[in-house]
Amino acid sequence: KAGVTQTPRYLIKTRGQQVTLSCSPISGHRSVSWYQQTPGQGLQFLFEYFSETQRNKGNFPGRFSGRQFSNSRSEMNVSTLELGDSALYLCASSFGGTGWSSVANEKLFFGSGTQLSVL
Amino acid sequence: GENVEQHPSTLSVQEGDSAVIKCTYSDSASNYFPWYKQELGKGPQLIIDIRSNVGEKKDQRIAVTLNKTAKHFSLHITETQPEDSAVYFCAAKDSGGYQKVTFGIGTKLQVIP
Repeated sequence: KAGVTQTPRYLIKTRGQQVTLSCSPISGHRSVSWYQQTPGQGLQFLFEYFSETQRNKGNFPGRFSGRQFSNSRSEMNVSTLELGDSALYLCASSFGGTGWSSVANEKLFFGSGTQLSVL
Repeated sequence: GENVEQHPSTLSVQEGDSAVIKCTYSDSASNYFPWYKQELGKGPQLIIDIRSNVGEKKDQRIAVTLNKTAKHFSLHITETQPEDSAVYFCAAKDSGGYQKVTFGIGTKLQVIP
């Protein structure tokens, strides 16, 4: 079974540009979450999508947005890039059941991430 | 919102010794506590998890304990090996259906051969 695939692996952009990152979840997983990882802040939750709907959002500015397609693949977009956006962006997939779901629904499986450098 | 504190930030142990990483959480509604291992250049990998209705769980050399009253949970690695060297993250999630998981800052474990 293929794992979570994130593309591209590395990106170099300049301030003011925009960027789109892609995530393909594990087959059968309907939930995709995005996290920003930096040395000083650890893993910070960006947002989560389930069946093409954003279910939850972290405390990031509106420049960070995402979407999910009918095949559960997800994209994340950052507009007007700032130096502080340099980070490893991780995508995680899960079955994502609601309510008192089983542990199987809650297990997150991460991709290897996209390393974004903003110059 | 949930806040997860993790310590120590770095930990060095001799091969064969035990390693313990401790975390505390703030939201009493949290009921799922996973632990992740992140190796260089890779994403975090789930190594063990525990739900709030269980006090302890063990998987070979790895064990996790949970004290709901004190809102503490810990990861124990016994008979450490060089391949255990990595960054370990604790995390907490509440009972809601949304997959918002709050992570600790991470512990860099170094196992010295």
